[in-house]
Amino acid sequence: SQQGEEDPQALSIQEGENATMNCSYKTSINNLQWYRQNSGRGLVHLILIRSNEREKHSGRLRVTLDTSKKSSSLLITASRAADTASYFCATDEASGGSNYKLTFGKGTLLTVNP
Amino acid sequence: EAGVTQFPSHSVIEKGQTVTLRCDPISGHDNLYWYRRVMGKEIKFLLHFVKESKQDESGMPNNRFLAERTGGTYSTLKVQPAELEDSGVYFCASSQDNYRVSTDTQYFGPGTRLTVL
Repeated sequence: SQQGEEDPQALSIQEGENATMNCSYKTSINNLQWYRQNSGRGLVHLILIRSNEREKHSGRLRVTLDTSKKSSSLLITASRAADTASYFCATDEASGGSNYKLTFGKGTLLTVNP
Repeated sequence: EAGVTQFPSHSVIEKGQTVTLRCDPISGHDNLYWYRRVMGKEIKFLLHFVKESKQDESGMPNNRFLAERTGGTYSTLKVQPAELEDSGVYFCASSQDNYRVSTDTQYFGPGTRLTVL
């Protein structure tokens, strides 16, 4: 598997339900970021969690990071139809020096049905 | 404050032709990155500028790709000659230079969809 791999690949839920997406990675990291991409549009930054943080909240988003398991989860609460998008996690490898290169997974396609 | 902008939004060219993509980062951001997503695959890093200098170009596929950032402002990515496998979405991102942490938030542009026929 590759660095920054999300699961599930696709998720379909009803409006109002919660959506949970997971991300696993292989190397030590400095930070992990979650992005959203609406169909045909650019990547929108959602949240950044640093390697020394375990949980972070932003509005209806909750991100957890478990560096011992090399995994992260993104929870979207009370989902809306407008949350329909692809969600990507991206990691930067802790290589000892300044390394800004992000490694992305293939993403999770979330569909929120009205 | 304007976000990262990219031009053009779409480009359709024939194999063997040349295409130049442009990226304008957020004003004041020293770091500029190029990424690419080929159909069905992950978004992959191409290269990273710090101001006008190439910090890391390890992701550039081959010497048909040339990136520049003259003056440390906007950047161009030229593909010459284009091949079929170059089709995909090319993203640009920028971030501030933050010496306190190793990585800062990267803000992405809308991407340029390149189709090589």
